[in-house]
Amino acid sequence: DQQVKQNSPSLSVQEGRISILNCDYTNSMFDYFLWYKKYPAEGPTFLISISSIKDKNEDGRFTVFLNKSAKHLSLHIVPSQPGDSAVYFCAVLRGNEKLTFGTGTRLTIIP
Amino acid sequence: ETGVTQSPTHLIKTRGQQVTLRCSSQSGHNTVSWYQQALGQGPQFIFQYYREEENGRGNFPPRFSGLQFPNYSSELNVNALELDDSALYLCASSYPTGRELFFGEGSRLTVL
Repeated sequence: DQQVKQNSPSLSVQEGRISILNCDYTNSMFDYFLWYKKYPAEGPTFLISISSIKDKNEDGRFTVFLNKSAKHLSLHIVPSQPGDSAVYFCAVLRGNEKLTFGTGTRLTIIP
Repeated sequence: ETGVTQSPTHLIKTRGQQVTLRCSSQSGHNTVSWYQQALGQGPQFIFQYYREEENGRGNFPPRFSGLQFPNYSSELNVNALELDDSALYLCASSYPTGRELFFGEGSRLTVL
């Protein structure tokens, strides 16, 4: 029973363009949503989060959108830079329960 | 401020052996969580420790066990290793009221 799905295992985007990473979840009780970025040989690094009471949160080049009715989360990166090449995981929380991660999307930024 | 550190970074074991992985949490964090990340998968929750007590456990067998010490560092022990235990083991710490986890670099375990 996969509660969090990232249906695109990989994504390639031209440098300077917008990268859009998507995530779908099944449980409407989740109330906090996060994105993590992972480089090879490093642990995941927290990137940005959003509470279920909001539909958008922005931090510099990164914006997370939450569509609760569709149970859909997306991360927009604009403009994309070569250093953004990494694996991106979405993760969800319900109350104080454990973080549940998606399977990840490998983003490659093409110079 | 020192981040989360894990040791060892890489290790190789054989089936049936036991392994201990170690984690030092970030300064000010009293909650430590352990995750297993198999190849091509997202991290899977193993268990969490808060003030030296287990505070939640994922779908892992009892041969996965842990400890948290008074300084909030932690150990993950795996007994009777199986081939499927080969994975990256991630430790994460968090503030008492925080919802974001801060991860270490991980310990990559290979079971032959």
